[in-house]
Amino acid sequence: ILNVEQSPQSLHVQEGDSTNFTCSFPSSNFYALHWYRWETAKSPEALFVMTLNGDEKKKGRISATLNTKEGYSYLYIKGSQPEDSATYLCASKSNFGNEKLTFGTGTRLTIIP
Amino acid sequence: EAQVTQNPRYLITVTGKKLTVTCSQNMNHEYMSWYRQDPGLGLRQIYYSMNVEVTDKGDVPEGYKVSRKEKRNFPLILESPSPNQTSLYFCASIGAGLSEAFFGQGTRLTVV
Repeated sequence: ILNVEQSPQSLHVQEGDSTNFTCSFPSSNFYALHWYRWETAKSPEALFVMTLNGDEKKKGRISATLNTKEGYSYLYIKGSQPEDSATYLCASKSNFGNEKLTFGTGTRLTIIP
Repeated sequence: EAQVTQNPRYLITVTGKKLTVTCSQNMNHEYMSWYRQDPGLGLRQIYYSMNVEVTDKGDVPEGYKVSRKEKRNFPLILESPSPNQTSLYFCASIGAGLSEAFFGQGTRLTVV
């Protein structure tokens, strides 16, 4: 994988259901994987920064896992609420010595009340 | 409070009229970056700066200029805007290592 890819592009989930989506990134020269939450008319805000293979992070009902060997990360949302509606972006940082983040195109999540 | 301040939020301009979008951060970060967001294309890097007077092209630099005279400021300059530069622009400031990126409020630019 040369680019950062996210799937699905969009997702509609019933309130109360749990959901997850995927970020795939280049596993070579990997340094860190970022997840951001981007609400309409606002700017992206960081959820997690992960670096170690097998790492798992949690913030309330949202959690993320990381597999650096195969180059993927999952974001999970448990018991979706309307306020979870947003676009979720992942970004990969390589170990080339700069701070460049390469972003995926995002997963747009809509929670149906 | 950690902050990236970007101005203006909205701008409508005509083709060829030079404009500058300002970006300022208060976190003493060395690395700053400009992105544009277009439907279906994600955030694409325009230019970045690794420190004062150190700037370099990102993935889509054509038609843009930047400067980094002071650590806190990183303005984006469009010398002769064209309609294909109509987009949503974000400035970001990123700490070293495992630090997260902090984004400005975004500038929605329309070039007619």
